Amino acid sequence: GNSVTQMEGPVTLSEEAFLTINCTYTATGYPSLFWYVQYPGEGLQLLLKATKADDKGSNKGFEATYRKETTSFHLEKGSVQVSDSAVYFCALSDPSNQFYFGTGTSLTVIP
Amino acid sequence: DGGITQSPKYLFRKEGQNVTLSCEQNLNHDAMYWYRQDPGQGLRLIYYSQIVNDFQKGDIAEGYSVSREKKESFPLTVTSAQKNPTAFYLCASSPRRDEQYFGPGTRLTVT
Repeated sequence: GNSVTQMEGPVTLSEEAFLTINCTYTATGYPSLFWYVQYPGEGLQLLLKATKADDKGSNKGFEATYRKETTSFHLEKGSVQVSDSAVYFCALSDPSNQFYFGTGTSLTVIP
Repeated sequence: DGGITQSPKYLFRKEGQNVTLSCEQNLNHDAMYWYRQDPGQGLRLIYYSQIVNDFQKGDIAEGYSVSREKKESFPLTVTSAQKNPTAFYLCASSPRRDEQYFGPGTRLTVT
């Protein structure tokens, strides 16, 4: 079946450090891949997405590349800010419009 | 403005009472979803609906019920049969083969 596995947290970084949150997936066919961000007490917001192999999604300095050969969609940012502190979820959608979420990775950025 | 609304933001109930959580969207999306999120946990799917007058159970449907009489509305009832109803509830909607859009969530506390 379909599933998403993402890096366990919590992750704590200093401001301006490099961020990587790993995400791998298992899926039949050709899923779409997403990263969502959740701030405390709020719903999830779409951060970026990629719909086919080798696509790169990017937004607000965050990037992730759809790697079919390694079934991965790792999230990266070159220089994190305190305002990036949140929980990040990797997700996929299959052709039947079913969504599968990872367990979330909590990021704290300290000044 | 287009979006998803959930009301209320906070809800308190006594044990043994049924309670209905509202979810409305004006995005003209066919599919709608309910998730439950417990502290420090990921999202668990309760129910989903791909079209009006049709819905399917998710992974943790026991103790919950839904209806989908209108495209824009997908209310969730938490019944007294739900053993541990205190949680953060998230509603989402999606057009076909695209990302999910989330509401702000309802935090339900049952005492």
